Amino acid sequence: SQKIEQNSEALNIQEGKTATLTCNYTNYSPAYLQWYRQDPGRGPVFLLLIRENEKEKRKERLKVTFDTTLKQSLFHITASQPADSATYLCALDSRQAGTALIFGKGTTLSVSS
Amino acid sequence: GAVVSQHPSRVICKSGTSVKIECRSLDFQATTMFWYRQFPKQSLMLMATSNEGSKATYEQGVEKDKFLINHASLTLSTLTVTSAHPEDSSFYICSARPGLAGGPRETQYFGPGTRLLVL
Repeated sequence: SQKIEQNSEALNIQEGKTATLTCNYTNYSPAYLQWYRQDPGRGPVFLLLIRENEKEKRKERLKVTFDTTLKQSLFHITASQPADSATYLCALDSRQAGTALIFGKGTTLSVSS
Repeated sequence: GAVVSQHPSRVICKSGTSVKIECRSLDFQATTMFWYRQFPKQSLMLMATSNEGSKATYEQGVEKDKFLINHASLTLSTLTVTSAHPEDSSFYICSARPGLAGGPRETQYFGPGTRLLVL
């Protein structure tokens, strides 16, 4: 069955450093992969989408890579700030029109000043 | 960006009662809406997919008679938890996918979630 793993349940870094979060998947070949941010008690907020034919995507301080050979995506936050502290979710599509996303458990990032 | 609202944001009810949660897309038409459930420190788990004007498709293990979904219009879907029990206490989140005129097909916009506590 399809499986998504976000390797670290929690990641603690200092302000100004680059945070790198990992998402691995098995038994699956997604057409695209998305990253979301979720704050406690709130719904997920879309950050970035990367397609299977794209290697890298950037948006301001965020960068996502997608390696379909390794079946892995890396999510980077550069020059991290305490406001970046949240849970970050990796999500894959189901390749079928109209179907939902499959989510990983998330990595909770804490950025200390 | 597109906005999805949920109402209520928090509800406490007695065991055996029914609770209705509304999900609205405020500034776009949603041909497809999804309902997820999230337990503490767990990922979002898809419960069902609803398309406007047709019956919802439920995921394996989700009781369709217990979790009634109605997608009556292109901007509103409702989830009714019937005869709620304490084990139904969870965080329920909806998402909406815009129609062809509303942006890329892959885009989903999530509501803020509804916290249900069944006593």
